[in-house]
Amino acid sequence: DFVLTQTPLSLSVTPGQPASISCKSSQSLLHSDGKTYLYWYLQKPGQSPQLLIYEVSNRFSGVPDRFSGSGSGTDFTLKISRVEAEDVGVYYCMQTIQLPSYTFGQGTKLEIK
Amino acid sequence: EVQLVESGGGLVQPGGSLRLSCAASGFTFSSYWMHWVRQAPGKGLVWVSRINSDGSSTNYADSVKGRFTISRDNAKNTLYLQMNSLRAEDTAVYYCARTQYSGSYFDCWGQGTLVTVSS
Repeated sequence: DFVLTQTPLSLSVTPGQPASISCKSSQSLLHSDGKTYLYWYLQKPGQSPQLLIYEVSNRFSGVPDRFSGSGSGTDFTLKISRVEAEDVGVYYCMQTIQLPSYTFGQGTKLEIK
Repeated sequence: EVQLVESGGGLVQPGGSLRLSCAASGFTFSSYWMHWVRQAPGKGLVWVSRINSDGSSTNYADSVKGRFTISRDNAKNTLYLQMNSLRAEDTAVYYCARTQYSGSYFDCWGQGTLVTVSS
């Protein structure tokens, strides 16, 4: 089975400080079409998930530039340059290379100190 | 405004059935693939099923295959999930979500509807 492993599972960050979340895939997410099908979502408390990053490093419409994504193959990272109070919630990575299944990581809970 | 609104959740006994609906508005529903994703209480996101834009192709997670049926009515801009032989482990918030094409990302989600399977 295809597995996405996120670390850490939780982190507590002081406002204004950076944060980083890792997502490791059990198989390469690089498709033969040259694209890498790795995405990042944020689920704020009591809300539906919202897309932050698509295809590793592209910010979705309206996403602040303090969010950035990087990585290749099987190792990926989401970085927040300066955490704000509104960034609290659970962050998920997701892959869509192994269709028809869409696989999510187990989630990383971000809290504010 | 692009909007997805789920309905039909509730309490059902093990072995029972339930049909969820997802009403779409603000976009050309018939141009999008549609999905159901669920989230058990306090747990992560799990993809459940998808249907292509004209309803001719469907896929399911192994955990629901043979028990759940996804369908759509493009004339009514509505997505459905018929859930039969429900089990306690099907208890979750069920979200509908859209993608522009197969393998694309979910760019819009509904607010979710809670299904509780319990005696």
